Amino acid sequence: DSGVTQTPKHLITATGQRVTLRCSPRSGDLSVYWYQQSLDQGLQFLIQYYNGEERAKGNILERFSAQQFPDLHSELNLSSLELGDSALYFCASSVQAGVRNEQFFGPGTRLTVL
Amino acid sequence: ELKVEQNPLFLSMQEGKNYTIYCNYSTTSDRLYWYRQDPGKSLESLFVLLSNGAVKQEGRLMASLDTKARLSTLHITAAVHDLSATYFCAVPITRGGSEKLVFGKGMKLTVNP
Repeated sequence: DSGVTQTPKHLITATGQRVTLRCSPRSGDLSVYWYQQSLDQGLQFLIQYYNGEERAKGNILERFSAQQFPDLHSELNLSSLELGDSALYFCASSVQAGVRNEQFFGPGTRLTVL
Repeated sequence: ELKVEQNPLFLSMQEGKNYTIYCNYSTTSDRLYWYRQDPGKSLESLFVLLSNGAVKQEGRLMASLDTKARLSTLHITAAVHDLSATYFCAVPITRGGSEKLVFGKGMKLTVNP
């Protein structure tokens, strides 16, 4: 158990809908990362937040957005969902935002879009 | 753009056998991570390799890093069924003081009795 928690574990929804995935980092970690794992694209970095501010952006679609709250938990919002958005979404956290900060991964949220 | 390639992507082997899997990456990095993933589960950190020549061992797995060759190996000794999983290598890419991980496609290992 890495200490990173994610809810919900599973989410099933329909195309066009909007969902919110939640992540709580390990105690003391200030940085949160979101990754998507799909059969087509493999594991891809989406976005990083550090102490409430966006720090780095990867291959994140415009339909997706994220934020990190004052208590350091983070939410990933996915809207206008398409079938291709079905994937495992992982959150990771690290102590700081810079280099040489090992990332610890949560259990993931499996999103199924029907 | 950093590319991380794993080789092979699928491996079926018998218990008791040895094998080495490879992870190549395309740009300079002095660190590399290995993760294990069981089906539908999270990524479990196996090894953190922090410098050229780093070698780490845990049980039947040993990982090494050659930053000059941009190559990491994961050696499996006397495989057992419990090692069946997908193994990912990941290389950190640093930009603007932040770091993200770029993953290989993963190697699915099946160990047969």
